[in-house]
This record gives sequence, structure tokens and C-alpha cells, in this order.
Amino acid sequence: DVKVTQSSRYLVKRTGEKVFLECVQDMDHENMFWYRQDPGLGLRLIYFSYDVKMKEKGDIPEGYSVSREKKERFSLILESASTNQTSMYLCASSFSGNQPQHFGDGTRLSIL
Amino acid sequence: GESVGLHLPTLSVQEGDNSIINCAYSNSASDYFIWYKQESGKGPQFIIDIRSNMDKRQGQRVTVLLNKTVKHLSLQIAATQPGDSAVYFCAEIARDSSYKLIFGSGTRLLVRP
Repeated sequence: DVKVTQSSRYLVKRTGEKVFLECVQDMDHENMFWYRQDPGLGLRLIYFSYDVKMKEKGDIPEGYSVSREKKERFSLILESASTNQTSMYLCASSFSGNQPQHFGDGTRLSIL
Repeated sequence: GESVGLHLPTLSVQEGDNSIINCAYSNSASDYFIWYKQESGKGPQFIIDIRSNMDKRQGQRVTVLLNKTVKHLSLQIAATQPGDSAVYFCAEIARDSSYKLIFGSGTRLLVRP
């Protein structure tokens, strides 16, 4: 089975902090994705990567950056956390474009 | 855990009955569709997928139907069980945007014992 592991289930940070969310997949997938999920807004794509060191903006990249130095690891960075970035963050990976994305269990991030 | 969405459409079914969850999509260029199940406090879990060259695909207790004429997708769950209670999302990928999943807003399925 595909396993996508997010480093933290719950995280509490302060406004202005730099925050790192880590995601690792064990299936040698080419593509990796970061979403946030908010009540009433559904899942929104922040960034994705289709290869090592490659990244593409999703629908809501403002305030975020990503890093993919190794194929199995995709990091989401909140450069200067703000309260409106309090959310559930979901990482996903897929073998290729027209294959299902498999999700981790999410990181619930609270910015105080 | 917190709900994944406020005011989601809800389908309530009796345990043992069949469930049908519907989804409309708008992009006629979409050629790959996926159903996900999300339980409280967890990430979306892949259930079944279908490509646009098919009308129907069956899995274990689940069937997905695709009607391209009216841009409609449905998920049928046979003999619904309490463990099926969750939020179900459909998602589509457009032919010209192969990485980007577009998610529906979701339907909450409640199974009455």
C-alpha cells in the first residue's frame, strides 16, 4: 500500500514564525502535492512538484513556498506564519498525472 | 475530529441498504475521475477511479457510473455499513491539466444502525 507520512498531526505556532511541514512518500511517486482544507472551502492546491527540484504554483501559493530536494520528500514552508494560515494541511503523491493521488492524514496547524 | 465542511449535503441511509452519492462536473475536457472517502481526522482515502472511455467500473461493494452526456458521476455503495460513514468527494482531472485534481464539495454519508 502507498504510504504518505506527514511529520506532525498537530502543530501550534506563533504569528511571524517560519513553519516547516514535512511529507514523505514511500512509493517512488513522481508527483507530490500540498493542499489545505478549510470548512466550506474544500481542498485547495497550494503547490505541487512533478520532479525533484521542480515546483509549480497551485491555486493559492501566496505566503507559502516548497522544497523538493529528494524524490520522496516534499516540504511546505510558511515564510512568516499568519493567523489566516490556520488550517488542515494535506500532502499527496501520485505516480503520474493520470493516476490517483494518495493522501497523508494531514497536519492540523494553528497559528496564534 | 472537526468536520471537513460546513453545511455539506447529507445522505442518511439505513445499515444494509444501498447508497448512491452523486456528483456533477463542469469541465468537458475532464477525462479521469476519482472518488475519495474522508473519515473524521484523516486524509482522503482513494476508493475507485474511472476514465472517460468507460461508463462503469466496479470494485469491492462500490460501483462508479460516468455519464459524459450530462457530466454526471455517481458512487454506489452496496450493503452500506456503519464504517462507510464519512464524507465522500469526487475529483476530476482535465486532459489539458494532468496534474491538477479538481475536487467537488463533498457529501456526508450517515449510516443509521
